[in-house]
Amino acid sequence: KQEVTQIPAALSVPEGENLVLNCSFTDSAIYNLQWFRQDPGKGLTSLLLIQSSQREQTSGRLNASLDKSSGRSTLYIAASQPGDSATYLCAVKEGNTPLVFGKGTRLSVIA
Amino acid sequence: DAGVTQSPTHLIKTRGQQVTLRCSPKSGHDTVSWYQQALGQGPQFIFQYYEEEERQRGNFPDRFSGHQFPNYSSELNVNALLLGDSALYLCASSPELRSSSGANVLTFGAGSRLTVL
Repeated sequence: KQEVTQIPAALSVPEGENLVLNCSFTDSAIYNLQWFRQDPGKGLTSLLLIQSSQREQTSGRLNASLDKSSGRSTLYIAASQPGDSATYLCAVKEGNTPLVFGKGTRLSVIA
Repeated sequence: DAGVTQSPTHLIKTRGQQVTLRCSPKSGHDTVSWYQQALGQGPQFIFQYYEEEERQRGNFPDRFSGHQFPNYSSELNVNALLLGDSALYLCASSPELRSSSGANVLTFGAGSRLTVL
C-alpha cells in the first residue's frame, strides 16, 4: 500500500528565504507526482505535476524535483513571500488508482 | 470557465442525521471523485464516479454513498452522521483516462465544510 510522508510538518521562515519541502513515497511505481497548495479552510490548487519520466518541473519561483528510484520529491520555493504561507500537499498516482496524499507541510513566511 | 463548484460551503448537523453534498465538475470533465479531509490530515479518497456508476471506492463504510447524474454532476450522501465525520469534503473532476499514462490531472473544488455536533 502506497504511503506518502511529508517533512517537516510545519515550517516558519523569514521573508526572502529560499526553502525546500520534502515528500517521500514507499512504492516507486508511480505514474506522476503532484504538488498542491491549500489555503486555510479552502480547496486544493495544483502547483506542479511531474510525470514519472521527468526529473523536474518549474513554475515561476517554484521548482519540483522527482527521484522515483529513491521515492523522493522536493518542492523548492525561491525568495519566499508572506503570500506563500499555506499548506503544501504532495500526492502520488499509480495507474488507475486514486491519488494518495501526504499530510502536508504548513508553511508560514514571516514579513 | 467555471471550475469545480461545490455546495453548500459550510453546514452543521447533529449526530444521526443525514447530509447531501453537491458537486458540479469542470466543463469538459466527466469523472468525479470525492475526498474527505479531516483537520490536519491529507485528503482521503472516498469514491469515484464515471458514467453514473461508482467505479472505485476507498476504505469508507456504506454510510457513505454517492450518485452521478447524466450531466456529470454528483452528490455525496452520508447517513447516520458521527462526530468523526466532521471534515472538509472535497470534490475533484477530471477527464476520463483514455490511456495508461496516468496523465489526467484532477481539478478540485473549494470543498464543503461539515461539522457534526
